[in-house]
Amino acid sequence: QQQVKQSPQSLIVQKGGISIINCAYENTAFDYFPWYQQFPGKGPALLIAIRPDVSEKKEGRFTISFNKSAKQFSLHIMDSQPGDSATYFCAASVPNNNDMRFGAGTRLTVKP
Amino acid sequence: DAGVIQSPRHEVTEMGQEVTLRCKPISGHDYLFWYRQTMMRGLELLIYFNNNVPIDDSGMPEDRFSAKMPNASFSTLKIQPSEPRDSAVYFCASTLSGARRGYTFGSGTRLTVV
Repeated sequence: QQQVKQSPQSLIVQKGGISIINCAYENTAFDYFPWYQQFPGKGPALLIAIRPDVSEKKEGRFTISFNKSAKQFSLHIMDSQPGDSATYFCAASVPNNNDMRFGAGTRLTVKP
Repeated sequence: DAGVIQSPRHEVTEMGQEVTLRCKPISGHDYLFWYRQTMMRGLELLIYFNNNVPIDDSGMPEDRFSAKMPNASFSTLKIQPSEPRDSAVYFCASTLSGARRGYTFGSGTRLTVV
């Protein structure tokens, strides 16, 4: 079922550092690429999303970089904070918005 | 809006028992999804509905699993009989077609089958 490959599985970053999570996909029909953030005991929550017609989208400390030719996209968290410690999922979906495919998740720990 | 509401939050049951998980999507959303999350397999799509109609149930692992959506504000996922390997967190999510706002997930039901 998994059509989106995510790495790394886990990531430890010092406070103030940059966290980078990568995803790759195969299906060129995907046209919507969201990232979700999940805290323990909660459901995933939409963090930021990008369409393939742009190469970068920034919202505060969170940036998605998108490389259409390589079929890769990544999440960058600048000035990482302990409160960013969570599991992050990349995802992709086709134009009709159903059946979103999720990556396996990355557990991020930001050490104070 | 209260978001997607799932119940119960936690369920512990004995192997062989019937389990029913419940979900109330966000009002006005026309898509509803059931996911299962485990450490080994991550987030797996089990089934999704559009306008209360099941569209794709290819992710339902076995005939022991069934899902219904009798109206736009309620859906159930039933496991009968339950087995220890069904232990997982089950999430319900909803979205509005064409809105491109991603899915809104509920807080999940943690199921433990002993």
